Amino acid sequence: EVQLVQSGAEVKKPGESLRISCKGSGYSFTSYWVGWVRQMPGKGLEWMGIIYPGDSDTRYSPSFQGQVTISADRSISTAYLQWSSLKASDTAMYYCASQKIDYGARGAFDIWGQGTMVTVSS
Amino acid sequence: SYELTQPPSVSVSPGQTAKITCSGDALPKQYAYWYQQKPDQAPILLIYKDTERPSGIPERFSGSSSGTTVTLTISGVQAEDEADYYCQSVDSSDTYVFGTGTKVTVL
Repeated sequence: EVQLVQSGAEVKKPGESLRISCKGSGYSFTSYWVGWVRQMPGKGLEWMGIIYPGDSDTRYSPSFQGQVTISADRSISTAYLQWSSLKASDTAMYYCASQKIDYGARGAFDIWGQGTMVTVSS
Repeated sequence: SYELTQPPSVSVSPGQTAKITCSGDALPKQYAYWYQQKPDQAPILLIYKDTERPSGIPERFSGSSSGTTVTLTISGVQAEDEADYYCQSVDSSDTYVFGTGTKVTVL
């Protein structure tokens, strides 16, 4: 089965660090970009950045540059999203996404993880 | 930063046609994609490369493009189509940007 499985929900305090994961299976994980998307409570979708697991080429959306780190371990088909110092405003659902076939354009994200809810509260 | 603008809401009766627009200056040069998101679910890809439909997506969903505006059309709307819809394209940092989102209500 083609799927992305994300790590479980997290509850953290401001200033703490965190890394969440996204493991792909059933398709060629290293052949397609993996992206991370934030959705704050009751709000819309926001692209955070993308990584190509084949060579770890990474791009960040301007709003998230310097705020998070995206990485990948191709040997275990897993991508990561990391914070060094969480803020209350990081409270959100985070989705990873990728694609399972070549659509002739790299923006077609047809596989999504189930989401990881991150709550940051003192 | 680059923005894609959508109407906040669209209301439609069952069996009628819903049109959702997405406007952005770079859309004549970059492909658009459309996603559907139902409450507490991950998004689903509906349309890619402006007009193409992935396998498994019903034919009632179609996409079109004209200048700086792309449009998602839902023909013969069904109750199950009530959801939030987002367009997506490429931004200047060579990552992606979502539209502001449109809530479709089936009356």
